[in-house]
Amino acid sequence: KAGVTQTPRYLIKTRGQQVTLSCSPISGHRSVSWYQQTPGQGLQFLFEYFSETQRNKGNFPGRFSGRQFSNSRSEMNVSTLELGDSALYLCASSLGSSSSAYFGPGTRLTVT
Amino acid sequence: SQQGEEDPQALSIQEGENATMNCSYKTSINNLQWYRQNSGRGLVHLILIRSNEREKHSGRLRVTLDTSKKSSSLLITASRAADTASYFCATDASNQGGKLIFGQGTELSVKP
Repeated sequence: KAGVTQTPRYLIKTRGQQVTLSCSPISGHRSVSWYQQTPGQGLQFLFEYFSETQRNKGNFPGRFSGRQFSNSRSEMNVSTLELGDSALYLCASSLGSSSSAYFGPGTRLTVT
Repeated sequence: SQQGEEDPQALSIQEGENATMNCSYKTSINNLQWYRQNSGRGLVHLILIRSNEREKHSGRLRVTLDTSKKSSSLLITASRAADTASYFCATDASNQGGKLIFGQGTELSVKP
C-alpha cells in the first residue's frame, strides 16, 4: 500500500498570505489528523477528520482550518500567515480511533 | 499542552549497546504509540501498545506500559548507527477522537 502523501513538500510564503496544504491518506483509512511541529512547541494537534466530519480540534486560532473530502483526502488552510506559522506540518491517517496513526513526510512551511 | 514527558531528553551510546527511553503521561489512555523521526522528516510508526497490554515486542524493540504509573518505556537492543533519530511517545487519550498527544521526544545518538 502507498503511504501517506503530502503536497507540497516545501513552501515559502510571505506574511499575510494564505496557504493550502494537501494530504492523501493510506487507502482505506478514513481518519486524517494534522499536526504542527516547531522547535519551541514540539508536536501539537491541529484537528482530526473522520468521514468528512471534524471530530476534534486543537488550540489554534481560527486562521487554521481544514476539510476532508469524500475520498478521505484532506486539506488544511492557514489564512493571514504570521512568522510564527513557520513549521513542519504533518498529516497522519488511520483506520479510526485507537488505531495506529501513520504519518506523511510533512510540508515545511516558511513564512517570511 | 504536552500530555507526557520523555526522559532522557538526549541519549548518546555506542553501537551494540541498548538504549532505553521513558515516557510519562497524565490521563487515561486507549493506547500509546512510539515514533521515530530523522532530521525533521516525517514520523515513522514503530509500535502501538494498548492500555490492557503490558509489553510488546517488534524486532529489536521492546515496549512496556504501566498504566498504574502512567508510564511507558522503549528499549532498543543492539543499537546501530542507523537508529540515530528522535523518538517520541504519543498517547491516544480516552474520549479524544483520534487526537494524539506527543511528548517532547528523546534524541538518540548511536556512535559507530
